[in-house]
Amino acid sequence: AQKITQTQPGMFVQEKEAVTLDCTYDTSDQSYGLFWYKQPSSGEMIFLIYQGSYDEQNATEGRYSLNFQKARKSANLVISASQLGDSAMYFCAMREGGLNTNAGKSTFGDGTTLTVKP
Amino acid sequence: KAGVTQTPRYLIKTRGQQVTLSCSPISGHRSVSWYQQTPGQGLQFLFEYFSETQRNKGNFPGRFSGRQFSNSRSEMNVSTLELGDSALYLCASSLSGFTGELFFGEGSRLTVL
Repeated sequence: AQKITQTQPGMFVQEKEAVTLDCTYDTSDQSYGLFWYKQPSSGEMIFLIYQGSYDEQNATEGRYSLNFQKARKSANLVISASQLGDSAMYFCAMREGGLNTNAGKSTFGDGTTLTVKP
Repeated sequence: KAGVTQTPRYLIKTRGQQVTLSCSPISGHRSVSWYQQTPGQGLQFLFEYFSETQRNKGNFPGRFSGRQFSNSRSEMNVSTLELGDSALYLCASSLSGFTGELFFGEGSRLTVL
């Protein structure tokens, strides 16, 4: 069963504007971590931001923030002041379970292709 | 410090052949995971190694195997290649495999003809 859902295959945003990429997840675990990665055309996956299931504050990393709504099981990525270099594929991912479970395994969504227009 | 290094970056094989891909993790990282990325199936977890031991395995046939060496470098092997094995194979390293983000290499793009 798909555990990470990204409903936006493609998104466009004007340079310097903010954009929200949607992500919903499904898990029965109480302990889990949510991640966003960026994949440019080169192929390398670049970590952007992390939110733990017990974190009460929304995570922020520079221009990236994660809008975590636990009850709705959503973890949307907000990119502020978009730049041309932000054009890439963005993946939401989840690692379920606490310590000593699911070693090295994250479940990924299908991704959203973001295009920043000048 | 140096990132995750994967070799080769690109390779072309024919059906029935086998292939070996290599991954050198970030220095100090002992957990190495492998993922397959295809347009149809997205990113799928293959397996994870820590201290030369496979701790976790995804839902792939036995043709897919891997190993890890004492220096944490890892290899994955695919035998009897099929057309559907054409994909980007991504290696990721982390300190323990249980917490924190994964650090990915640029991948090995395999084309099976």
